[in-house]
Amino acid sequence: DGGITQSPKYLFRKEGQNVTLSCEQNLNHDAMYWYRQDPGQGLRLIYYSQIVNDFQKGDIAEGYSVSREKKESFPLTVTSAQKNPTAFYLCASKEHWGETQYFGPGTRLLVL
Amino acid sequence: SQQGEEDPQALSIQEGENATMNCSYKTSINNLQWYRQNSGRGLVHLILIRSNEREKHSGRLRVTLDTSKKSSSLLITASRAADTASYFCATSGNFGNEKLTFGTGTRLTIIP
Repeated sequence: DGGITQSPKYLFRKEGQNVTLSCEQNLNHDAMYWYRQDPGQGLRLIYYSQIVNDFQKGDIAEGYSVSREKKESFPLTVTSAQKNPTAFYLCASKEHWGETQYFGPGTRLLVL
Repeated sequence: SQQGEEDPQALSIQEGENATMNCSYKTSINNLQWYRQNSGRGLVHLILIRSNEREKHSGRLRVTLDTSKKSSSLLITASRAADTASYFCATSGNFGNEKLTFGTGTRLTIIP
């Protein structure tokens, strides 16, 4: 089956801890995205990558970091600098010239 | 920043009725897309309309676009309980499809 997987489904972070959210796709898509969704809100773009070894900041990149070492993978690290990390995190991908984004099932991050 | 504002924020209708939700945006666009999100899940693409199109149909979905008013509407006809979800509009800017900007969403509840 082709698609996007995100893990874990739920993640708990302690104060001062960095945590990494996984996003993997086997759609052979060039572009990948990370979004944050707060309760009752729309999606806000954190980071995106259009090609391996390259990525750009979105609207709310502070306190987050990413890497794109492989085409299939785009992990997101929520650092201790992100003071309000509790949210639902969504990963998406699309073909280079495509218009539609395909989403993973999401990871819910909670702070202990 | 969030480009789109959706109206209403929440809508409850009886099964079988039609549901209409609206999206307004601020800047020129290349295309406008509608996505659906079931509670706690990822987004699923429903339909795309380009800036030079005025209306588009897909099954029970009808989308209109008025670029002079910077607004779009999504009509779901003959609603079903399974249509209960949040619906988001997303716009792609004039200079390419690398990013989407999402609206705040309409929460639709279909009462059986």
